[in-house]
Amino acid sequence: KAGVTQTPRYLIKTRGQQVTLSCSPISGHRSVSWYQQTPGQGLQFLFEYFSETQRNKGNFPGRFSGRQFSNSRSEMNVSTLELGDSALYLCASSRQANTGELFFGEGSRLTVL
Amino acid sequence: GESVGLHLPTLSVQEGDNSIINCAYSNSASDYFIWYKQESGKGPQFIIDIRSNMDKRQGQRVTVLLNKTVKHLSLQIAATQPGDSAVYFCAENYGGSQGNLIFGKGTKLSVKP
Repeated sequence: KAGVTQTPRYLIKTRGQQVTLSCSPISGHRSVSWYQQTPGQGLQFLFEYFSETQRNKGNFPGRFSGRQFSNSRSEMNVSTLELGDSALYLCASSRQANTGELFFGEGSRLTVL
Repeated sequence: GESVGLHLPTLSVQEGDNSIINCAYSNSASDYFIWYKQESGKGPQFIIDIRSNMDKRQGQRVTVLLNKTVKHLSLQIAATQPGDSAVYFCAENYGGSQGNLIFGKGTKLSVKP
């Protein structure tokens, strides 16, 4: 069974630009969540989606947005990039919502210059 | 405020020895705790979880202990192997939603051959 797939794996952007990251969950998993990982703040929750509905949102500004499609694939978007947005963005899927057993992808490493 | 922290940011052990990774949590409402392992260049991998109605749970070579009195969580790894070298995160959850999954900063485990 294929794991969680995230694309792109690496990308470099400049301040002010926007970026879209993609996540394909494990087949059959309907819940997708996103986390930001930085050396200083560690893993921080961004959003959680289940059946195309955002169930929860972390404490991030409105520049961070996401969505989930009918096939459970998810995207997140960051607009007006700032230097501090440089991070590893991790997507995780689970068979159902409300579980701490998450299956993570390898992440998309974003560098903002 | 809410926090999940680790007593030891780095831990170095000899191959074959047992490892103990500690974690403190501050939210008494947390009812579900999870340990994740993250190897270099990969996303976190679920290891084991425990609910607040339990004090101990065992998996393959791993044991999680929960002491609700002092809000302390530990992960014990038996017969530590080089492949166990990674960063270990504890996470706490309350209310059952992934939106309330709070990760600790992580402990780096280094196994010496």
